[in-house]
Amino acid sequence: QVQLQESGPGLVKPSQTLSLTCTVSGGSISSGSYYWSWIRQPAGKGLEWIGRIYTSGSTNYNPSLKSRVTISVDTSKNQFSLKLSSVTAADTAVYYCARDREGISYFDYWGQGTLVTVSS
Amino acid sequence: DIQMTQSPSSLSASVGDRVTITCRASQSISSYLNWYQQKPGKAPKLLIYAASSLQSGVPSRFSGSGSGTDFTLTISSLQPEDFATYYCQQSYSTPRVTFGPGTKVDIK
Repeated sequence: QVQLQESGPGLVKPSQTLSLTCTVSGGSISSGSYYWSWIRQPAGKGLEWIGRIYTSGSTNYNPSLKSRVTISVDTSKNQFSLKLSSVTAADTAVYYCARDREGISYFDYWGQGTLVTVSS
Repeated sequence: DIQMTQSPSSLSASVGDRVTITCRASQSISSYLNWYQQKPGKAPKLLIYAASSLQSGVPSRFSGSGSGTDFTLTISSLQPEDFATYYCQQSYSTPRVTFGPGTKVDIK
């Protein structure tokens, strides 16, 4: 059973960089035809796809965030990471990592989510 | 971007009721439509993919239908554990996937 777990600071100051890591267990991040995605959800609001990475290192980003987002992968640690720069209060949200099935593109495994608050 | 809308935004229903939620895309997305259930404080859970395929382990009371721009999620007999928010997601424009705004199902 694949499991994903987000980790990182819960509080980030405005203008700084948000950094989160997702650790995958129960299977290799390199096996199968999967992308590994980040998705966020502001309190009481809907879901927004941030971006994804393939284990080859190939990335895709939401155009609305592209200038501020970097996603990377460390296959030796079975982890992938998110960096979001120049954050504002609008970036306050629960951040989820998820497995994205290549092709039809659906998210079949999710982390539990981590709340990141942007505040001074 | 492909815009997704859902109706209703919320509904009240009783245990045993048949519940139908509608999702509409701003352009044709063929069958590239997925449904998720989210309970408070929890991550979304995949219910249906490719418009009508039931994800492994999901009860058969959940079903999906539709193609093109109009889709439905049906719960044939609502159970206490089904009170949650339901989201549709289009994957036609992968990787630029988008979600609907959600439909909250609560107890009548």
